[in-house]
Formats: sequence, structure tokens, C-alpha cells
Amino acid sequence: GIQVEQSPPDLILQEGANSTLRCNFSDSVNNLQWFHQNPWGQLINLFYIPSGTKQNGRLSATTVATERYSLLYISSSQTTDSGVYFCAVWRWGGSEKLVFGKGTKLTVNP
Amino acid sequence: DGGITQSPKYLFRKEGQNVTLSCEQNLNHDAMYWYRQDPGQGLRLIYYSQIVNDFQKGDIAEGYSVSREKKESFPLTVTSAQKNPTAFYLCASSAAGTGGNEQFFGPGTRLTVL
Repeated sequence: GIQVEQSPPDLILQEGANSTLRCNFSDSVNNLQWFHQNPWGQLINLFYIPSGTKQNGRLSATTVATERYSLLYISSSQTTDSGVYFCAVWRWGGSEKLVFGKGTKLTVNP
Repeated sequence: DGGITQSPKYLFRKEGQNVTLSCEQNLNHDAMYWYRQDPGQGLRLIYYSQIVNDFQKGDIAEGYSVSREKKESFPLTVTSAQKNPTAFYLCASSAAGTGGNEQFFGPGTRLTVL
């Protein structure tokens, strides 16, 4: 089945810094989502981005489907950005599930 | 407000007991899913349902059962046959009966076996 790798596994920043999180996947996909899991476990949808670029406030994401990767950019990070960021993918003809990476744990210090 | 609710938030179970986790959505979504998350890991699919009265096994269905009698409800039963049930359980839904559409998640249920 399709494999999803996220990097880095852990990231520690000072408030105000910028960061880039990466998601590589092993096959073509029809759906890619980025989530933020907050300290209480809630998964919050950030982007639905099978291709192209989207922006939402301080966050933006780019998926290059032909090269099988996606990037999540966080600018001017805040302590509330802390948590785990997951990438998940899905493709036609595969099993009916989102395949998740293991996540990037982000800690933003004041 | 539209959304997905899960109850209870925390659940403690003795070994040998069956427990049922509730998931309700008012988004009018056709598809619903159950995932399991273990510490430091991503999510793994337990069961999914694309339509009422139909459901399919995911990657780790052994020891679990589900029903889908109503569009808005997809309860998960963790049976005594599940050997390591302590985990965080997340329910999700999406607009259509395939995984290609955006999935939205509930707040989760933390199950601990005593």
C-alpha cells in the first residue's frame, strides 16, 4: 500500500520563527489533507490540497503531485501552534481509507 | 452548530467487558469512519461505512464491531476479543461515499482498560 513519510519528526521553535514541514508519499494520490492535533487530541482540518497551493492566515500548503510531496509552511509561529501535524493521503482504487504519516511534533516556546 | 460528537470523552473498562463508543454527526455526511490512535503514532482505520446498513472492515477490525442503522450515527463496540484496546478512538465523516472527499473528525474517546 501507499506509504507516507513526514519530516522532521520533531521540531522546536521560538515564538515568531517560521517553519516548513514535509510530507512524502510513495504513489499518486487523489486526496491529501493536513491536520493539526492539539494537546487535547482534537484533529483540526488545516488543508484539503491534492495539488496546488493554498493559504489560510499564517499557514500555507503546497502539494506537488507529480513529485509526490507536500509542504506545510507556518509563519510567525505562536505557542498555540504547538501540537502534532499530520499529513494523510487517499487514492482511487486503493482501500477506502486515509493513510496517515506518523506526524511532526511541533513545540513553540515563548 | 454542525459537527461530530463523540461520547464519552474518557472510558474505563475492566478486562472481559464490552464497551460501546458513540459517534453522531449532523453534517448530513454519507460516509463515517472509526480510527484508532496509539501514543506517538498516526491513525489506523478500524471500520468505515459509506451508506446506511452497510460497513466495511479496515486494517485492524479484529475485536471490534459496528452498526449503521441511521445516517447520523455510527457506534463502535470494543469487544473482549480485542487484546489491547487501550487507545484513543477517533470518529470521522465525509460528504460522499468514497474516501476522496475531505474527512472531518470528532473530539475522540480515550479508552483505558484496567
